[in-house]
Formats: sequence, C-alpha cells, structure tokens
Amino acid sequence: AQTVTQSQPEMSVQEAETVTLSCTYDTSESNYYLFWYKQPPSRQMILVIRQEAYKQQNATENRFSVNFQKAAKSFSLKISDSQLGDTAMYFCAFMTGANSKLTFGKGITLSVRP
Amino acid sequence: EPEVTQTPSHQVTQMGQEVILRCVPISNHLYFYWYRQILGQKVEFLVSFYNNEISEKSEIFDDQFSVERPDGSNFTLKIRSTKLEDSAMYFCASRRDRGSEKLFFGSGTQLSVL
Repeated sequence: AQTVTQSQPEMSVQEAETVTLSCTYDTSESNYYLFWYKQPPSRQMILVIRQEAYKQQNATENRFSVNFQKAAKSFSLKISDSQLGDTAMYFCAFMTGANSKLTFGKGITLSVRP
Repeated sequence: EPEVTQTPSHQVTQMGQEVILRCVPISNHLYFYWYRQILGQKVEFLVSFYNNEISEKSEIFDDQFSVERPDGSNFTLKIRSTKLEDSAMYFCASRRDRGSEKLFFGSGTQLSVL
C-alpha cells in the first residue's frame, strides 16, 4: 500500500519570502505521479503542481517548484515570493497508473504573514 | 476550463435519513471518484467508478454507500442511513482517461448529520 507523510502540521512565512513544505511517500511502484494540492478556506481542491516519477527534471509552475528526490522518496514544494493568497492547507498526494486513485497526506496549514 | 459541478453545496440531514449527493463530471471524462474530508483531517478516497461499475472502493465505502451513473451525465453518491460520523465534505472528481493523471475536483458538498 502507498503512504504519504507530511510531518509538519503547520508553517508560517513572511510575505515575499520563500517557504518549503515537506512530503515523503512510500511505494513499491516504479511509475507514479506526485501532486501538491492547495485547499483555501473555501475548501476547493486546487491542483498546484504535478510531477511524473520517470521525469528527472523537477516540475515548476511560476512561483511553485518541487524538489523531487526519487531515491529518497521525497517530494517537497517550494513557494517563492509568498503572497497572502497562498495562505491555505496544502496536501501532498500520490497516484499510480495501476489504480489511478489519489492517496493524500494529512496536509499542512500554511499561513503567510503580511 | 471545464468544471466538475456538485450539488447541493450544503446538505443537512437527520441521523438515519438517506441522502444523495450529486455530481456532474466533465463531459468527456471516463473515470469518476468520490472522496471525503472530515473537518481538519486529510482527504480520503471512497470509491472509483469506470465503465459503469465500481473499479475500487475503500474500507469506508461499506454497504451504507452506493454510487450510480443514472443517465450518462450525473454521478451520484447515496448514503442509505446516515450516521453522525458521516458528517464531512464530500468531493467528486473526474479524470479524462487512463493516459491522463489529472483529476478535476468539484467544489464539494458539506454534509452535516444531526
């Protein structure tokens, strides 16, 4: 079974600074996908970024980038130039092609301070 | 961008009553999912549905739960006899096909069981 671990329950960052959210996972699969989802107070699930395990290059989306370490089974999210609108819960998630369901971590609450 | 639509946004029911949560997935998508999130906790997989049948279900998805795609556009989750612990946000999601890893989430139905 796949597991996703987010060990930090909450973090805080000053506006305009950079913050890194940690995630580790466990799987015996070789082909899979990793995701970060943002959940603002509205509770909508918003896809932030995704990474395919067979791609060595780290994914980037504007201010969001990941540090994907496949051997270590680590998938951290870096948010640069943090904005007040980044305040939300962030979930790391895992999917294999075999079952195509998402397995989520417990999430981390990120607060961006003005 | 196309959206997954869920109705109602809020549902209040008495313990023991049946509820039906409705979802309209994106029209050309083939895979459908229900997830739930108890307040403050992680998002949990309930069931996946493909080709008019359940492809996988979690331990949470017991005999009190059922899913249906009655008319080719709607995708419903029925809870036959609600319990207090069924109170949660229920998310519907859809996915285009096996080659696409991106899940599109609806905005959720908040179910409150009194």
